[in-house]
Amino acid sequence: NAGVTQTPKFQVLKTGQSMTLQCAQDMNHEYMSWYRQDPGMGLRLIHYSVGAGITDQGEVPNGYNVSRSTTEDFPLRLLSAAPSQTSVYFCASSYRPGAAIDEQYFGPGTRLTVT
Amino acid sequence: AQSVSQHNHHVILSEAASLELGCNYSYGGTVNLFWYVQYPGQHLQLLLKYFSGDPLVKGIKGFEAEFIKSKFSFNLRKPSVQWSDTAEYFCAVGSGNTGKLIFGQGTTLQVKP
Repeated sequence: NAGVTQTPKFQVLKTGQSMTLQCAQDMNHEYMSWYRQDPGMGLRLIHYSVGAGITDQGEVPNGYNVSRSTTEDFPLRLLSAAPSQTSVYFCASSYRPGAAIDEQYFGPGTRLTVT
Repeated sequence: AQSVSQHNHHVILSEAASLELGCNYSYGGTVNLFWYVQYPGQHLQLLLKYFSGDPLVKGIKGFEAEFIKSKFSFNLRKPSVQWSDTAEYFCAVGSGNTGKLIFGQGTTLQVKP
C-alpha cells in the first residue's frame, strides 16, 4: 500500500491564482481530512469528509473548496490564493468504525508559498 | 465548540529526565483521544490512543498517557526521555458525534544530550 499520497510537495503561487492540492489513499478509508500547519498554531482542520459525496467544514474553511467523488481521492482547491494561505498542508485518512474516529494516517505534506 | 489545549508550548529537558505534557479538551460527549508525534522533517505519526477501558494507555517508544475524565485531561508521560524524542507532540480529540478530529497547538520538546 502506498498509504496517503499528496502532490505536489512544494508549490509557489502568486496572489489571486488558483490551484488544487491532490490527496489520495489506497486503504479504503471512509474518513479523509485536510489540515494546515502553521507555527505555534498546531494543525487546524480545513475540511473533512466521512465518505464519498459527503463533505463538511472544519475550523478554517474560508478560501478552500473540497469534493469527494470517490473513496480514494480528496482534492483541496484554493480558489484565489492569498499570502495568509502560506502554510504546510497535510491530508489524512482513517477508518471510521461506527461513529468513532480511528487513528489518522497522514500524507507527507505540501509546502505552499503565496507571494 | 470543541477545543484542545496544550499548556506547554516549548519544553527543554536533559536526557534521562522525566516528561509530562499536559492536554485538556472541552467536549462533554464521548471522545477518542490521541497523541501524535512529528519528528523533524517528517509527517505526523501516532504515539498512542484511548477509546475506552483502562484509562492508562501505553504507546510506542515508552510513552504512556492517562485519561482523567473528571478533569477532561489526557496527559502524556515518559519516565526517561532520550535525545531521539526531540520532536513536536500533538494532542487530538475525535468526536464520535461530529466525526471531526481536533488538534491542540502542539508542544515542541527539545532533549539535550
